[in-house]
Amino acid sequence: DSGVTQTPKHLITATGQRVTLRCSPRSGDLSVYWYQQSLDQGLQFLIQYYNGEERAKGNILERFSAQQFPDLHSELNLSSLELGDSALYFCASSVVAGPSGANVLTFGAGSRLTVL
Amino acid sequence: KNEVEQSPQNLTAQEGEFITINCSYSVGISALHWLQQHPGGGIVSLFMLSSGKKKHGRLIATINIQEKHSSLHITASHPRDSAVYICAVRSHNTDKLIFGTGTRLQVFP
Repeated sequence: DSGVTQTPKHLITATGQRVTLRCSPRSGDLSVYWYQQSLDQGLQFLIQYYNGEERAKGNILERFSAQQFPDLHSELNLSSLELGDSALYFCASSVVAGPSGANVLTFGAGSRLTVL
Repeated sequence: KNEVEQSPQNLTAQEGEFITINCSYSVGISALHWLQQHPGGGIVSLFMLSSGKKKHGRLIATINIQEKHSSLHITASHPRDSAVYICAVRSHNTDKLIFGTGTRLQVFP
């Protein structure tokens, strides 16, 4: 157990639907990162939050949104789902964040989303 | 051209062999990560490097900042080392992680 908890582990839904993925970071970690891993794209950075504030944005679609709550857990909301959104979604956490920081990342086990 | 290139893409080895996986990058970085992804999908962070060399058990990671190159070595490889090994660099400018496409390693008994 890495200390980063992601739920649900597996999710099957239909096109057009909306889902929410949840991540609880490792105790003491303030930063949460979301990544998408699809078969054809590899791992892609989506978004980062640090202590409740959005810190950096990657290749995140407008149909996707995220937030980090006061208790530091984070949710990734995926709406108007398309077949191509089927992927593994990973959350990772780290203690600090900053342009010059080199942060040790701890990954969750991932949420596997299948859109039919 | 990808900003992070790994080689080889696929690697097979016999148990006991010495393994080297290479990673080259083209951006300025503040750190480089080596990750291991098991067949079940879980990702484990193996190393984070900003200079020099790190060792953990049978794993050794090196980085040459001037040459923008890192290597991951596995000594006395074992079938349980079979996994995808991913190199990721943290861009110095954007603080974002950029991932290589991974190296799939299979170690046979």
